[in-house]
Amino acid sequence: DAGVIQSPRHEVTEMGQEVTLRCKPISGHNSLFWYRQTMMRGLELLIYFNNNVPIDDSGMPEDRFSAKMPNASFSTLKIQPSEPRDSAVYFCASRLAGLSDTQYFGPGTRLTVL
Amino acid sequence: GENVEQHPSTLSVQEGDSAVIKCTYSDSASNYFPWYKQELGKGPQLIIDIRSNVGEKKDQRIAVTLNKTAKHFSLHITETQPEDSAVYFCAAGVNTGNQFYFGTGTSLTVIP
Repeated sequence: DAGVIQSPRHEVTEMGQEVTLRCKPISGHNSLFWYRQTMMRGLELLIYFNNNVPIDDSGMPEDRFSAKMPNASFSTLKIQPSEPRDSAVYFCASRLAGLSDTQYFGPGTRLTVL
Repeated sequence: GENVEQHPSTLSVQEGDSAVIKCTYSDSASNYFPWYKQELGKGPQLIIDIRSNVGEKKDQRIAVTLNKTAKHFSLHITETQPEDSAVYFCAAGVNTGNQFYFGTGTSLTVIP
């Protein structure tokens, strides 16, 4: 299994631009999570989906952030417009809910907003 | 909600010595406690987990203990090796739910 796949691995953009991060969960997994990691705040859960349906987005910092999961094998996290304080590493994780508690993380996308 | 505290934030040990990382949690409903290892430039990887019906679990050089009464759990690494150097995160959650609450991480350095 290829594991959780994220793209791009690195993104550098200018303030005000739209950023889209992509995630492909492990095949067969039915829960997907988006996390943000910073030195100051550690690992923060932004949003998670069960069976492609957003369950809890209370961690999404602002309306500038949005996430979608159009099908079981793809999810996006969009920031529009981006700001320098959005600079962080964004992780996607997936899980087979109901059979396993373990969340498997992708390699992350390092976002730098200038 | 759940609050997970982790100590120490940094830890240096000599190769071959043991390392212990401690976490506390606040929500008595939490019953699942995974530990993740994060190497530079990579995502966190699960190394061991424990459920609240078990007090201790061991996997080769790694062990985790859980004290439900005191609401704390610990990671023990014995005979440390340089490749154990990484950031370690504890987490707590309810296994029927979906959300884990992560500690702030411990940067472990094993000195050869």
